[in-house]
Amino acid sequence: GAVVSQHPSWVICKSGTSVKIECRSLDFQATTMFWYRQFPKQSLMLMATSNEGSKATYEQGVEKDKFLINHASLTLSTLTVTSAHPEDSSFYICSASEARSYNEQFFGPGTRLTVL
Amino acid sequence: DAKTTQPTSMDCAEGRAANLPCNHSTISGNEYVYWYRQIHSQGPQYIIHGLKNNETNEMASLIITEDRKSSTLILPHATLRDTAVYYCIVRVAVGTYKYIFGTGTRLKVLA
Repeated sequence: GAVVSQHPSWVICKSGTSVKIECRSLDFQATTMFWYRQFPKQSLMLMATSNEGSKATYEQGVEKDKFLINHASLTLSTLTVTSAHPEDSSFYICSASEARSYNEQFFGPGTRLTVL
Repeated sequence: DAKTTQPTSMDCAEGRAANLPCNHSTISGNEYVYWYRQIHSQGPQYIIHGLKNNETNEMASLIITEDRKSSTLILPHATLRDTAVYYCIVRVAVGTYKYIFGTGTRLKVLA
């Protein structure tokens, strides 16, 4: 149980285009989902917290107009990187917490974004 | 800022116990300690968590000091597949219960 999937697992795009990454909780309802970014050989950096049906809360320094987060249902959150540039190339990871318990976050496998 | 500090790297012989320390001296009374690990290019995997008592599951044991300012994750019989980066996290106890990741410990299990 408690499986989180991400799609796509990797994506290559041209500079200036937008990319959407999906995060799904497959066997539980997630009222809260989190989005992280990880650069090579670095730790995970929390970008934003997303609650179902409400606006995401962004961490300091994260541009909300560039990283659009939508959490329209209890099983799906999306991260859209708008007007992507090479410096946005990174490993994006989502996690989800169950509605009835905040015991732990379940992480997705990550999405590798490369912007040319 | 992360609320935890861990050694950057450690080596452990295969079959031996791996003891990974973590300092969290500013932890609040209602904040949990979580341990995750991340194998290269994958999402973090949950290992164990605790509040103040020692915990054990099929993967590991967690020893938390009485003052809760530090903890140790113990992998009783390390295997090559345990090679990973191990993160000790203090979960914020209010609001969104977010995690703030520190730098983690890169554990290398040697054959």
